[in-house]
Amino acid sequence: AQSVTQLGSHVSVSEGALVLLRCNYSSSVPPYLFWYVQYPNQGLQLLLKYTSAATLVKGINGFEAEFKKSETSFHLTKPSAHMSDAAEYFCAVRKNNNDMRFGAGTRLTVKP
Amino acid sequence: KAGVTQTPRYLIKTRGQQVTLSCSPISGHRSVSWYQQTPGQGLQFLFEYFSETQRNKGNFPGRFSGRQFSNSRSEMNVSTLELGDSALYLCASSLEGSAEQFFGPGTRLTVL
Repeated sequence: AQSVTQLGSHVSVSEGALVLLRCNYSSSVPPYLFWYVQYPNQGLQLLLKYTSAATLVKGINGFEAEFKKSETSFHLTKPSAHMSDAAEYFCAVRKNNNDMRFGAGTRLTVKP
Repeated sequence: KAGVTQTPRYLIKTRGQQVTLSCSPISGHRSVSWYQQTPGQGLQFLFEYFSETQRNKGNFPGRFSGRQFSNSRSEMNVSTLELGDSALYLCASSLEGSAEQFFGPGTRLTVL
């Protein structure tokens, strides 16, 4: 069965610092992988997706993620945090037509 | 192209009542999935509909049901509401053959 583990329920960084949000997946075959962001009282917005075309995936708002099969990881990074990046981030995995499985989420706080 | 819309955005009910939530997918999207989001359990998959048929189902009691209409709009119903049903209910739509899901803003249900 596919599942997702996000390491760290809360991450705090200073404005301008590197953002690193960790995600590990378990799946018998490389699945589709996603990162979503959720702002308060809103739905989920897709940041980026991995669909096997390239291991380094660039998304919106300066975020990117690297698929590492050997480590079964799909960590999300951004070189320089902005105050507007404060939100909750969810890693998700989906295989074929099965349901999307989400991690528990990581709340990112950006300090001025 | 308009995004996924959900109505109502907020709802307050009392225990024992029933509730119906509505979701209109992005034009052309025939797959609609429903998720429940709570602080304690995170994002949990309820069910997925495609072409008016339930294609996948999560691990929720029979009080939770759904349906999809010929225009791809979907409704979910919760009967005999319990306090624990208080949650943000998210709907997501996708194109057939695409793993990517687009989320609506959600319906915040409060059960008193």
